[in-house]
Amino acid sequence: EDKVVQSPLSLVVHEGDTVTLNCSYEVTNFRSLLWYKQEKKAPTFLFMLTSSGIEKKSGRLSSILDKKELFSILNITATQTGDSAVYLCAVTNTDKLIFGTGTRLQVFP
Amino acid sequence: DGGITQSPKYLFRKEGQNVTLSCEQNLNHDAMYWYRQDPGQGLRLIYYSQIVNDFQKGDIAEGYSVSREKKESFPLTVTSAQKNPTAFYLCASRIRDISTDTQYFGPGTRLTVL
Repeated sequence: EDKVVQSPLSLVVHEGDTVTLNCSYEVTNFRSLLWYKQEKKAPTFLFMLTSSGIEKKSGRLSSILDKKELFSILNITATQTGDSAVYLCAVTNTDKLIFGTGTRLQVFP
Repeated sequence: DGGITQSPKYLFRKEGQNVTLSCEQNLNHDAMYWYRQDPGQGLRLIYYSQIVNDFQKGDIAEGYSVSREKKESFPLTVTSAQKNPTAFYLCASRIRDISTDTQYFGPGTRLTVL
């Protein structure tokens, strides 16, 4: 059965800390891995990863994929209170997306 | 202005009534999806459509129905057979080509059944 597992489930940090969120997967017919940020509304797209070892970067956020070990990480440096959200990882195959349950990040001042 | 629109943003209905949630996209994406999200929970797939006039059941299709008569539109009907319909409903569309495979979400509809 296809599955996507995210860890940790929850994370509490102070502003300025660096965090690493993990996503491991077992999905047949892998096409891409996606990261989303969800606050109290619809998820917003962060990154799409298809190739191993190529880092995607956007401001303080970065992500990388390891297709041999079947995992991805999302790094957030110098966290801010506005980074507080649930971060979702999803893997696409030919039919649909398989979502993890998310990591809830809380950043306190 | 390109994107995915869902309407209404909030919807209140009495128990036993069917309701239809609208989802429209002008991104020219072939595939569209409906998800349900309950408070503090992950996304669960209701139905998806990879092409016009074709759709497949997701993991929790019971009590729901869809149609895909046009590429731009993928409405979801929540029927009275759905036991616990109060939830946040998200529509999404997906672009797939040689270099990309990404899904984008609409803003969502919060349905409350009284």
